[in-house]
This record gives sequence, structure tokens and C-alpha cells, in this order.
Amino acid sequence: QLQLQESGPGLVKPSETLSLTCTVSGGSISSSSYYWGWIRQPPGKGLEWIGSIYYSGSTYYNPSLKSRVTISVDTSKNQFSLKLSSVTAADTAVYYCARHFARFPFDYWGQGTLVTVSS
Amino acid sequence: AIQMTQSPSSLSASVGDRVTITCRASQGIRNDLGWYQQKPGKAPKLLIYAASSLQSGVPSRFSGSGSGTDFTLTISSLQPEDFATYYCLQDYNYPRTFGQGTKLEIK
Repeated sequence: QLQLQESGPGLVKPSETLSLTCTVSGGSISSSSYYWGWIRQPPGKGLEWIGSIYYSGSTYYNPSLKSRVTISVDTSKNQFSLKLSSVTAADTAVYYCARHFARFPFDYWGQGTLVTVSS
Repeated sequence: AIQMTQSPSSLSASVGDRVTITCRASQGIRNDLGWYQQKPGKAPKLLIYAASSLQSGVPSRFSGSGSGTDFTLTISSLQPEDFATYYCLQDYNYPRTFGQGTKLEIK
């Protein structure tokens, strides 16, 4: 059974960089056809796609965040990561990692991790 | 970016009711649409993919329909565990976009 687990600091200071890692178990991140994505959800609000990466390294970002987002993959560790720079309080959210195919919804999700931006 | 507009934003219903949630895309997305159920403190759960295909393990009281710009999620007979928030997601292109959500509450 595929499992995804987010990890990283739960508190980030304004203007700093948020860094999260998603560890994939029960399957290989290098399997062809799979994309790996990040989605966030501010408290009490809806879902926002941040970006996705293919195992080969091709990336796709939300234009609203593109200037601040970097998603990378480490196939040797079966992990992919999110970096979001210059954070503000508006970036406070539960961050989820998830898997999808091309033109297919996210089917496996991590449990989510709350990141609070505060001094 | 394709905008996904869900309606209603909230809905009160009783156990046993049939309910329908709609999602409209700002442009045609073929049938590249999924539906999710989310309960408080949990990750979204995929219910429907390709607009009308039931994800493995999802009860048959859930069904989806539509193509192009207009889509519906129907729950044929509400069960207590179905009270949650529902989201649509277009996977036609990037950026992926979600509907704003429909909160289904007990009447």
C-alpha cells in the first residue's frame, strides 16, 4: 500500500523559506507515469494546488506561486520536496503531498502537516 | 487558469436524502474531473475520477456525471458518514484547480 508522509518545521518566520519533504513508501517514486504534487489548505478554507513534479524532474507550478516555489525530487531517497520562499502569514496552511497520473486526480495523499508563519 | 465553480457552497440534508452537487468549469475540460470528500482534520479522499468512474472502495451510492463544462456529484441515499465537505478538481491541464467546496451538513 502506497503511503506518503510530509515532514518539516511546523513554524516558519515571515520572509523565510518554508521547506517540506514528502517520503514515499510502499512504491517507487521513479515509477513512470506518476507525478508527485503539493497541495495546501489554509485553516478553514479550500484546497490550492501548489505544483507537481515528474520523477524525471519536470516541474509544473501554480502561476500564483511560481516565483517563490521550487519542487525537487530525490529518487535515491524516494522523496520529493517543496521550498516556498519569502513566506507571509497568508502561507499558513496544512500542506499535503500527493500522487497523480497525467490527467488524473490525486489518488494517494499524505496526512498533511500544518505550517504556521509567525514571528 | 480554468476556474471551477461549485454550487451550492453549503447544503443541509437528512439521512436517506438524495443530494446533488454541481461543478462548472470556465472552459471545456472533456471529462477530466474528480470529486473528493474531506472530513475535518483529514486529507481529501478521492471518490470519482474521469467525471463518472467510481474509485475503488467507494460506496456505489456515490455517482458522478457530466462532460465539457458541467458536472454533478450525486449521493443517492445519504448516510451519517457522508456529512463532510466535497470538492471538485479539474485535471485537464495545469494549473490544477479545485472548486471552492460544498459543506454538507445534517438537517
